[in-house]
Amino acid sequence: AQSVSQHNHHVILSEAASLELGCNYSYGGTVNLFWYVQYPGQHLQLLLKYFSGDPLVKGIKGFEAEFIKSKFSFNLRKPSVQWSDTAEYFCAVNRGSSNTGKLIFGQGTTLQVKP
Amino acid sequence: GAVVSQHPSRVICKSGTSVKIECRSLDFQATTMFWYRQFPKQSLMLMATSNEGSKATYEQGVEKDKFLINHASLTLSTLTVTSAHPEDSSFYICSAEPGLAGPSSYNEQFFGPGTRLTVL
Repeated sequence: AQSVSQHNHHVILSEAASLELGCNYSYGGTVNLFWYVQYPGQHLQLLLKYFSGDPLVKGIKGFEAEFIKSKFSFNLRKPSVQWSDTAEYFCAVNRGSSNTGKLIFGQGTTLQVKP
Repeated sequence: GAVVSQHPSRVICKSGTSVKIECRSLDFQATTMFWYRQFPKQSLMLMATSNEGSKATYEQGVEKDKFLINHASLTLSTLTVTSAHPEDSSFYICSAEPGLAGPSSYNEQFFGPGTRLTVL
């Protein structure tokens, strides 16, 4: 079965530290990849997405992610985090060849940024 | 644009009663809506896919007779939790996917703020 794995469950960083959150998926076909963020008390928001083209994708708020097909990975990065980045981060995968937008989510990573 | 609302935002009910949750796409037509369930500190688990005018497709392990989904229009889907029990207490989230004429590209979903259900 298709699965999405996020290796870091809880990450604590100080402001200005660099961030990398891992995401691996198991599906071998064409995929669409997403990172969502859920700030405390708020709904899920799309940070960035990859459908095709340049594997280095830039999103909102200074986030970026790199799709490495050979590693089945789509890691999220930010060079310098801020206290306001404290949130839950979810990686999600959709089968690109399907006719539905069915998303499979990873377990989520809680990021805590200390001021 | 691309706003999805849910109503109510939180509901408390007694065991054995039914609860209806609405999901609306406010500024676009959603050919497909999805219903997720999120347990505390866990990920979203897809419950069902709802297409306007047709029966919902349920994920394995989700009881279709317990979680009734109706997608009667291109802007509204409802989830009814029938005969709710304490184990149904959870955070229910919907998302909506625009049709090809919508505000964004295919496969992007827009999420509602969620509904916290507590069954006593």
